[in-house]
Amino acid sequence: AQSVTQLDSHVSVSEGTPVLLRCNYSSSYSPSLFWYVQHPNKGLQLLLKYTSAATLVKGINGFEAEFKKSETSFHLTKPSAHMSDAAEYFCVVSDRGSTSGTYKYIFGTGTRLKVLA
Amino acid sequence: ETGVTQTPRHLVMGMTNKKSLKCEQHLGHNAMYWYKQSAKKPLELMFVYNFKEQTENNSVPSRFSPECPNSSHLFLHLHTLQPEDSALYLCASSLWTGGDETQYFGPGTRLLVL
Repeated sequence: AQSVTQLDSHVSVSEGTPVLLRCNYSSSYSPSLFWYVQHPNKGLQLLLKYTSAATLVKGINGFEAEFKKSETSFHLTKPSAHMSDAAEYFCVVSDRGSTSGTYKYIFGTGTRLKVLA
Repeated sequence: ETGVTQTPRHLVMGMTNKKSLKCEQHLGHNAMYWYKQSAKKPLELMFVYNFKEQTENNSVPSRFSPECPNSSHLFLHLHTLQPEDSALYLCASSLWTGGDETQYFGPGTRLLVL
């Protein structure tokens, strides 16, 4: 069965410094992986997705993630944090094993990113 | 982000009330989802509809009743809720073609049950 582990519930960085949000997954299939961001009182916005093409995926707002099969990881990075990046970030694996005809998302528990001025 | 809209954005209701949440997607998708997001808990999938047919019911109590009249609209009817049902309810949609499982989310309805 698929599962996702976000290794840090909270991460604090100073503005202008790099961001690293860690995600490990478990999947019996070739997984599709996603990162979503949720700003306070908002829905989830897709940052980027990996669907078995290039292992380095570029997303919106300068974020990128690298799929490492050998490490079963899909960590999210950004070279320089901005105050507007403060939000909660969710790593998601898509369950292709669903028999219902739709893909089910398996969510991580989220990482809250705080950006210090 | 206006591809998936939800109304109302905020709702306060008593335990004996009946209310409905509405979701509409403008993306031409054919699958729609209800999720519950409670504080300090992972997002919980509640229901899935594919081509208007319910394909998932994740052991949701019967006080939550979904309705999907067409591929663009999804409702969640609420009755005799409990305080622990207070949460952010998120709707999502996707174009299930057998290949792309990306889900797009609405802004959510913040529900408070008194």
